[in-house]
Amino acid sequence: DAGVIQSPRHEVTEMGQEVTLRCKPISGHDYLFWYRQTMMRGLELLIYFNNNVPIDDSGMPEDRFSAKMPNASFSTLKIQPSEPRDSAVYFCASSLGDREETQYFGPGTRLLVL
Amino acid sequence: GEDVEQSLFLSVREGDSSVINCTYTDSSSTYLYWYKQEPGAGLQLLTYIFSNMDMKQDQRLTVLLNKKDKHLSLRIADTQTGDSAIYFCAESNPNTDKLIFGTGTRLQVFP
Repeated sequence: DAGVIQSPRHEVTEMGQEVTLRCKPISGHDYLFWYRQTMMRGLELLIYFNNNVPIDDSGMPEDRFSAKMPNASFSTLKIQPSEPRDSAVYFCASSLGDREETQYFGPGTRLLVL
Repeated sequence: GEDVEQSLFLSVREGDSSVINCTYTDSSSTYLYWYKQEPGAGLQLLTYIFSNMDMKQDQRLTVLLNKKDKHLSLRIADTQTGDSAIYFCAESNPNTDKLIFGTGTRLQVFP
């Protein structure tokens, strides 16, 4: 398996623009997680899905952030409108679940909002 | 509550052993993990230990678990410059299938 795939790897955008980050989990994994990493706040869990259903979105910072998982092989994290403080590295991870909690991370998307 | 704590920095000389420590709070955790993050990369699973084990060894890595004190450590023998990275400890939450990550320990290896 290719592992967790994220795109784009880098994104530079201007404040106010919409940003869409994409993730393809490992095939057969039932859980998908979105994290944000910054120097100031470390690694933060934003939202996670089980069988395409959002389970816990309490980490989503505000209404400008939304995430979807239309099928088992694809998820998006959208920021609209983006702000400079959203600049961070966004990671997607997946796990088998059902008591197998080991998470496998993608390479991340490095987002810079100017 | 859920909390995983690590020291922020560790500096060691090449060839020495490194010991990275972690404390956690959830006694119901089934697995405890160590992840490694190299600069500009994602988190890579290094090793994990099941909660009913005391020790696990994998080549240069030794994981020690003290359940009574809720203390986990990662020992890297013969530390190399390529081991320089951030090391994250994480505990599993079997009720939610989430992992709770520590703040990460930045290991710097100098010649």
